Amino acid sequence: GENVEQHPSTLSVQEGDSAVIKCTYSDSASNYFPWYKQELGKRPQLIIDIRSNVGEKKDQRIAVTLNKTAKHFSLHITETQPEDSAVYFCAGYPDSNYQLIWGAGTKLIIKP
Amino acid sequence: NAGVTQTPKFQVLKTGQSMTLQCAQDMNHEYMSWYRQDPGMGLRLIHYSVGAGITDQGEVPNGYNVSRSTTEDFPLRLLSAAPSQTSVYFCASRASGRYEQYFGPGTRLTVT
Repeated sequence: GENVEQHPSTLSVQEGDSAVIKCTYSDSASNYFPWYKQELGKRPQLIIDIRSNVGEKKDQRIAVTLNKTAKHFSLHITETQPEDSAVYFCAGYPDSNYQLIWGAGTKLIIKP
Repeated sequence: NAGVTQTPKFQVLKTGQSMTLQCAQDMNHEYMSWYRQDPGMGLRLIHYSVGAGITDQGEVPNGYNVSRSTTEDFPLRLLSAAPSQTSVYFCASRASGRYEQYFGPGTRLTVT
Protein backbone atom coordinates (compact mmCIF):
# COMPACT_ATOMS: atom_id res chain seq x y z
CA GLY A 1 0.00 0.00 0.00
CA GLU A 2 0.86 3.67 -0.14
CA ASN A 3 3.30 5.15 2.36
CA VAL A 4 3.99 8.88 2.71
CA GLU A 5 7.10 10.11 4.50
CA GLN A 6 7.55 13.75 5.47
CA HIS A 7 10.71 15.68 6.42
CA PRO A 8 11.75 17.46 8.49
CA SER A 9 9.64 16.92 11.59
CA THR A 10 10.50 20.42 12.82
CA LEU A 11 11.69 23.40 10.78
CA SER A 12 12.74 26.73 12.24
CA VAL A 13 13.32 29.68 9.87
CA GLN A 14 13.89 33.39 10.27
CA GLU A 15 10.94 35.60 9.43
CA GLY A 16 11.20 36.64 5.79
CA ASP A 17 13.21 33.59 4.75
CA SER A 18 11.86 30.66 2.73
CA ALA A 19 10.76 27.30 4.09
CA VAL A 20 10.72 23.98 2.24
CA ILE A 21 9.01 20.79 3.43
CA LYS A 22 9.49 17.55 1.52
CA CYS A 23 7.42 14.39 1.17
CA THR A 24 8.00 11.12 -0.62
CA TYR A 25 5.43 8.53 -1.60
CA SER A 26 5.68 4.89 -2.56
CA ASP A 27 2.64 4.16 -4.78
CA SER A 28 3.25 5.32 -8.36
CA ALA A 29 -0.53 5.22 -8.91
CA SER A 30 -1.06 8.13 -6.50
CA ASN A 31 -2.52 11.05 -8.42
CA TYR A 32 -3.40 13.76 -5.92
CA PHE A 33 -1.20 15.45 -3.31
CA PRO A 34 -2.65 18.00 -0.92
CA TRP A 35 -0.98 20.07 1.78
CA TYR A 36 -2.88 20.92 4.95
CA LYS A 37 -2.04 23.53 7.57
CA GLN A 38 -3.06 23.01 11.19
CA GLU A 39 -2.78 25.85 13.66
CA LEU A 40 -2.63 25.06 17.36
CA GLY A 41 -5.98 23.79 18.59
CA LYS A 42 -7.61 24.10 15.18
CA ARG A 43 -8.71 21.72 12.45
CA PRO A 44 -6.51 20.91 9.42
CA GLN A 45 -7.23 23.16 6.45
CA LEU A 46 -6.25 22.66 2.83
CA ILE A 47 -3.78 25.29 1.63
CA ILE A 48 -2.71 23.94 -1.75
CA ASP A 49 -2.86 20.74 -3.76
CA ILE A 50 -1.44 19.32 -6.96
CA ARG A 51 -2.54 16.65 -9.42
CA SER A 52 -0.15 14.15 -10.96
CA ASN A 53 -0.40 15.73 -14.43
CA VAL A 54 1.07 19.02 -13.16
CA GLY A 55 4.67 19.71 -12.10
CA GLU A 56 4.19 22.92 -10.15
CA LYS A 57 1.42 25.04 -8.71
CA LYS A 58 1.61 28.46 -7.05
CA ASP A 59 -0.72 30.48 -4.88
CA GLN A 60 0.79 33.77 -3.76
CA ARG A 61 3.63 32.90 -1.32
CA ILE A 62 2.95 29.17 -1.41
CA ALA A 63 4.01 26.71 -4.11
CA VAL A 64 4.04 22.95 -4.48
CA THR A 65 6.30 20.99 -6.82
CA LEU A 66 5.89 17.37 -7.87
CA ASN A 67 8.52 15.03 -9.29
CA LYS A 68 6.68 11.90 -10.43
CA THR A 69 9.84 10.09 -11.49
CA ALA A 70 11.43 10.45 -8.07
CA LYS A 71 8.04 10.18 -6.30
CA HIS A 72 8.46 13.23 -4.17
CA PHE A 73 6.67 16.54 -3.74
CA SER A 74 7.55 19.66 -1.79
CA LEU A 75 5.88 22.67 -0.22
CA HIS A 76 7.64 26.00 -0.62
CA ILE A 77 6.71 29.05 1.45
CA THR A 78 8.46 32.31 0.56
CA GLU A 79 8.76 35.49 2.62
CA THR A 80 7.63 33.66 5.75
CA GLN A 81 5.50 35.53 8.27
CA PRO A 82 4.61 34.81 11.92
CA GLU A 83 1.17 33.55 10.89
CA ASP A 84 2.85 30.78 8.88
CA SER A 85 3.79 29.10 12.19
CA ALA A 86 1.78 25.87 12.29
CA VAL A 87 2.00 22.14 11.62
CA TYR A 88 1.92 21.22 7.93
CA PHE A 89 0.78 17.81 6.67
CA CYS A 90 1.28 16.33 3.23
CA ALA A 91 -0.82 13.46 1.92
CA GLY A 92 -1.13 11.16 -1.06
CA TYR A 93 -4.18 9.64 -2.69
CA PRO A 94 -3.64 6.23 -4.24
CA ASP A 95 -5.92 5.59 -7.16
CA SER A 96 -7.03 2.28 -5.68
CA ASN A 97 -7.96 3.65 -2.27
CA TYR A 98 -10.79 5.85 -1.09
CA GLN A 99 -8.70 7.50 1.58
CA LEU A 100 -5.80 9.92 1.85
CA ILE A 101 -2.54 8.58 3.25
CA TRP A 102 -1.04 11.22 5.55
CA GLY A 103 2.52 12.23 6.34
CA ALA A 104 3.53 12.63 9.99
CA GLY A 105 3.60 16.43 9.87
CA THR A 106 6.18 19.22 10.05
CA LYS A 107 6.12 21.84 12.78
CA LEU A 108 7.15 25.13 11.19
CA ILE A 109 8.47 27.78 13.57
CA ILE A 110 8.97 31.33 12.29
CA LYS A 111 11.55 33.19 14.38
CA PRO A 112 11.08 36.98 14.68
CA ASN B 1 -23.82 25.84 4.86
CA ALA B 2 -22.57 24.87 8.32
CA GLY B 3 -20.07 22.45 6.73
CA VAL B 4 -18.94 19.65 9.04
CA THR B 5 -20.10 19.92 12.64
CA GLN B 6 -19.05 17.85 15.64
CA THR B 7 -20.44 17.54 19.14
CA PRO B 8 -19.40 17.72 21.87
CA LYS B 9 -16.34 19.99 21.72
CA PHE B 10 -14.93 18.56 24.94
CA GLN B 11 -15.67 15.38 26.89
CA VAL B 12 -14.24 13.69 29.96
CA LEU B 13 -15.01 10.02 30.50
CA LYS B 14 -14.09 7.49 33.13
CA THR B 15 -12.49 4.21 32.10
CA GLY B 16 -15.16 1.76 30.99
CA GLN B 17 -17.80 4.32 30.09
CA SER B 18 -19.27 4.44 26.61
CA MET B 19 -20.30 7.41 24.53
CA THR B 20 -21.03 8.56 20.99
CA LEU B 21 -19.26 11.38 19.20
CA GLN B 22 -21.55 13.07 16.73
CA CYS B 23 -20.61 14.24 13.24
CA ALA B 24 -22.89 15.81 10.65
CA GLN B 25 -22.38 17.50 7.29
CA ASP B 26 -24.79 19.48 5.17
CA MET B 27 -22.87 19.37 1.89
CA ASN B 28 -24.37 16.08 0.65
CA HIS B 29 -20.92 14.50 0.67
CA GLU B 30 -20.81 10.75 0.14
CA TYR B 31 -17.48 10.10 1.83
CA MET B 32 -17.02 10.61 5.57
CA SER B 33 -14.15 9.65 7.86
CA TRP B 34 -13.11 9.66 11.50
CA TYR B 35 -9.53 10.41 12.53
CA ARG B 36 -7.79 10.60 15.86
CA GLN B 37 -4.87 12.90 16.54
CA ASP B 38 -2.72 12.29 19.60
CA PRO B 39 -0.64 15.17 21.02
CA GLY B 40 2.17 16.18 18.64
CA MET B 41 1.20 13.46 16.18
CA GLY B 42 -0.40 13.14 12.78
CA LEU B 43 -3.84 11.96 11.78
CA ARG B 44 -4.75 8.29 12.02
CA LEU B 45 -7.82 6.93 10.27
CA ILE B 46 -10.28 5.07 12.51
CA HIS B 47 -13.25 4.27 10.25
CA TYR B 48 -14.64 5.62 7.03
CA SER B 49 -17.79 5.45 4.92
CA VAL B 50 -18.29 5.75 1.18
CA GLY B 51 -22.04 6.19 1.42
CA ALA B 52 -25.11 5.50 3.53
CA GLY B 53 -25.09 1.93 4.77
CA ILE B 54 -21.41 1.34 3.87
CA THR B 55 -18.56 1.56 6.37
CA ASP B 56 -15.06 0.17 6.57
CA GLN B 57 -12.14 0.05 8.97
CA GLY B 58 -9.16 2.33 8.85
CA GLU B 59 -5.76 2.08 10.48
CA VAL B 60 -6.85 2.05 14.15
CA PRO B 61 -10.44 0.70 14.42
CA ASN B 62 -10.22 -1.27 17.67
CA GLY B 63 -12.50 0.02 20.42
CA TYR B 64 -14.67 2.05 18.05
CA ASN B 65 -17.86 1.38 16.10
CA VAL B 66 -19.54 3.41 13.38
CA SER B 67 -22.73 3.35 11.38
CA ARG B 68 -24.03 5.44 8.48
CA SER B 69 -27.80 5.38 8.29
CA THR B 70 -28.05 8.73 6.47
CA THR B 71 -25.81 10.72 4.15
CA GLU B 72 -25.59 13.54 6.70
CA ASP B 73 -24.60 11.74 9.90
CA PHE B 74 -21.65 9.56 10.82
CA PRO B 75 -21.49 8.91 14.60
CA LEU B 76 -18.48 7.30 16.28
CA ARG B 77 -19.15 5.08 19.28
CA LEU B 78 -16.61 4.30 21.97
CA LEU B 79 -17.65 0.97 23.43
CA SER B 80 -15.66 0.94 26.69
CA ALA B 81 -13.40 3.96 27.05
CA ALA B 82 -9.73 3.46 27.89
CA PRO B 83 -7.03 6.05 28.77
CA SER B 84 -5.32 5.17 25.47
CA GLN B 85 -8.30 6.71 23.68
CA THR B 86 -7.50 10.15 25.07
CA SER B 87 -7.10 12.18 21.90
CA VAL B 88 -8.62 14.79 19.61
CA TYR B 89 -11.13 13.30 17.20
CA PHE B 90 -11.77 14.85 13.80
CA CYS B 91 -14.56 14.02 11.41
CA ALA B 92 -14.09 14.81 7.73
CA SER B 93 -16.14 14.60 4.56
CA ARG B 94 -15.60 14.92 0.83
CA ALA B 95 -17.72 14.78 -2.27
CA SER B 96 -17.68 11.87 -4.65
CA GLY B 97 -15.33 12.63 -7.52
CA ARG B 98 -13.60 15.39 -5.58
CA TYR B 99 -10.45 15.09 -3.53
CA GLU B 100 -10.62 17.88 -0.98
CA GLN B 101 -11.55 16.80 2.55
CA TYR B 102 -13.41 19.17 4.86
CA PHE B 103 -12.75 18.76 8.55
CA GLY B 104 -14.99 19.39 11.52
CA PRO B 105 -13.71 21.44 14.49
CA GLY B 106 -12.78 18.34 16.50
CA THR B 107 -13.78 16.76 19.83
CA ARG B 108 -11.19 16.75 22.60
CA LEU B 109 -11.68 13.56 24.63
CA THR B 110 -10.00 12.76 27.92
CA VAL B 111 -10.38 9.34 29.53
CA THR B 112 -9.36 9.09 33.19
